[in-house]
Amino acid sequence: QVQLQESGPGLVKPSETLFLTCSVSGGSISSNYWSWIRQPPGKGLEWIGYIYHSGSTNYSPSLKSRVAISVDTSKNQFSLNLSSVTAADTAVYYCARMSIVRAGTNFDMWGQGTMVTVSS
Amino acid sequence: DIQMTQSPSSLSASVGDRVTITCRAGRTITIYLNWYQVKPGEAPQLLISAASSLQNGVPSRFSGSGSGTDFTLTISSLQPEDFATYYCQQSYTTLPTFGQGTRLEIK
Repeated sequence: QVQLQESGPGLVKPSETLFLTCSVSGGSISSNYWSWIRQPPGKGLEWIGYIYHSGSTNYSPSLKSRVAISVDTSKNQFSLNLSSVTAADTAVYYCARMSIVRAGTNFDMWGQGTMVTVSS
Repeated sequence: DIQMTQSPSSLSASVGDRVTITCRAGRTITIYLNWYQVKPGEAPQLLISAASSLQNGVPSRFSGSGSGTDFTLTISSLQPEDFATYYCQQSYTTLPTFGQGTRLEIK
């Protein structure tokens, strides 16, 4: 059973860079697509982007200028970099596996999420 | 972007009730529609894929239907563990988008 676990600082200062890592266990990261999704307090889910094990990426247009997702197959991990953060980036950040199915894709495995607060 | 609109935004119900949540897409997405259950502090769970395909391990009281722009998630007999927030999500485009969520509360 594949499991995902997010890790990283819970507090980031405004204008700095948020960096999170997702560790994948119980399966290889060298298959499927891997995503980051966030949920601001009191709001809904927002897709941030995904990466394929080969390194190809796709990002939400609203965040594209500030986001970078990378993968380290040797560590079975992938990471999120979000630069120039503001209070609006305060959210629970989830990593998830994105699988291709007969009708599009779905997020079939998720981490428990990690709360990141942007504050000085 | 394809906007996804869920209704209602919140719902109070009792154990044993039958509950239906609606999701409407801004344009046709055929059956490229998924449903998720989210509880605080837990990993979100994929319930239904391709509008009506129940995921392995998900109780049969959950069902999904619809195509085009209108979709529904039905819970046939609410159990205590079903009180959570539910989200629909389209995968018709390479920019996945979610509904705003439906919070299901105990009456």
